[in-house]
Amino acid sequence: EIVLTQSPTTLSLSPGERATLSCTASQSISSYLAWYQQKPGQAPRLLIYDASDRATGIPARFSGSGSGTDFTLTISSLEPEDFAVYYCQQRINWPPITFGQGTRLEIK
Amino acid sequence: QVQLVESGGDVVQPGRSLRLSCAASGFTFSSHALHWVRQAPGKGLEWVAVISYDGRNKYYADSVKGRFTISRDNSRNTLYLQMNSLRAEDAAVYYCARDKSIGAAVMVPEYWGQGTLVTVSS
Repeated sequence: EIVLTQSPTTLSLSPGERATLSCTASQSISSYLAWYQQKPGQAPRLLIYDASDRATGIPARFSGSGSGTDFTLTISSLEPEDFAVYYCQQRINWPPITFGQGTRLEIK
Repeated sequence: QVQLVESGGDVVQPGRSLRLSCAASGFTFSSHALHWVRQAPGKGLEWVAVISYDGRNKYYADSVKGRFTISRDNSRNTLYLQMNSLRAEDAAVYYCARDKSIGAAVMVPEYWGQGTLVTVSS
């Protein structure tokens, strides 16, 4: 089973700042990585799939990059509604698909 | 718009059974694979199972294999999860989710329901 490790666990930033979240896979997953956002009491929302493709309706301030084992989600300029938990997910080697443990993005 | 509405969550004793349902609308139900994903209180996401668009292929996480059964009724636009021999560690919010691709699953849960809570306690 492929393990995804996200860093940092918690990221404290202010609105308007740039956020960089990382996800490292235990073995190469090519570009088969997705990113999700989850706010308290809500379901996850797909942001990025295949490492860098934005899902339908996702603002351009969200971007993804990486391949192989190292991936990054970047939020170019934080809006108040962006503070949430973010998860990465791999799909190259399934079952199962697996998720990272999450990064909490909090307001500084 | 795509809508997924889960139901059936409840408080159950260890060893008992429960069936979850997920009613779908806003898309061609029979064209998409469907997933169940769960989230224990305060924890991360754990994929549980997937069923192909036609119901012929089903895959499970090792943690539920042999105890849980995923199924679908394409005439009713409804997804199910039959959970038997429930354990304390099965307690979670259970989400149904539609796969991103039409036809064969690409294993990207794209649209998610709001979830239904399963509590396992004596």
